[in-house]
Amino acid sequence: DAKTTQPPSMDCAEGRAANLPCNHSTISGNEYVYWYRQIHSQGPQYIIHGLKNNETNEMASLIITEDRKSSTLILPHATLRDTAVYYCIVRAPDNTDKLIFGTGTRLQVFP
Amino acid sequence: NAGVMQNPRHLVRRRGQEARLRCSPMKGHSHVYWYRQLPEEGLKFMVYLQKENIIDESGMPKERFSAEFPKEGPSILRIQQVVRGDSAAYFCASSPFNAGPDGYTFGSGTRLTVV
Repeated sequence: DAKTTQPPSMDCAEGRAANLPCNHSTISGNEYVYWYRQIHSQGPQYIIHGLKNNETNEMASLIITEDRKSSTLILPHATLRDTAVYYCIVRAPDNTDKLIFGTGTRLQVFP
Repeated sequence: NAGVMQNPRHLVRRRGQEARLRCSPMKGHSHVYWYRQLPEEGLKFMVYLQKENIIDESGMPKERFSAEFPKEGPSILRIQQVVRGDSAAYFCASSPFNAGPDGYTFGSGTRLTVV
């Protein structure tokens, strides 16, 4: 799996968009970008994934650069409940092996 | 359709006792993964199992730890002769056969405290 780099922490005001970056410069052609988050004391939760096109679901949007070497997870209107550690993971979709979690980005949403 | 069920949610053991953590995967899921999270640290992979088989145990400590996923019943993570350093949150995830990472579902974890 390609290695990812994320900032250790970020702050965001409630109601504003939270933009969480992830660098994955060694990503392979068949590897997707997946995002998970872990709210305090809970198990990780899948958010969204994408290959090269931008993706949007009810939770977030994912913007992947044209060269696929970086991506941004966007929470359009952050709430206090979005305070969590966000993990960016890159891997091939047919890989059933274990997920490897890095250190992630600790997002603090403040009132 | 219940999610991944882990029990107990909280477990307190004295040093030297055994801890048994249970994980019931989602219905139809044949793969189970165990992770450990020490206080203020990230999730560390421990073991990956399919029914009656251990596929990858590269993250399991060499001694005192074992895991199983029998043909019937939940997956069990067993820690013998617990020590204070085993205090952590233990998370289980399950996925169906051939699912990508978006198919993983995590349980709420078991918090083990060794006193």
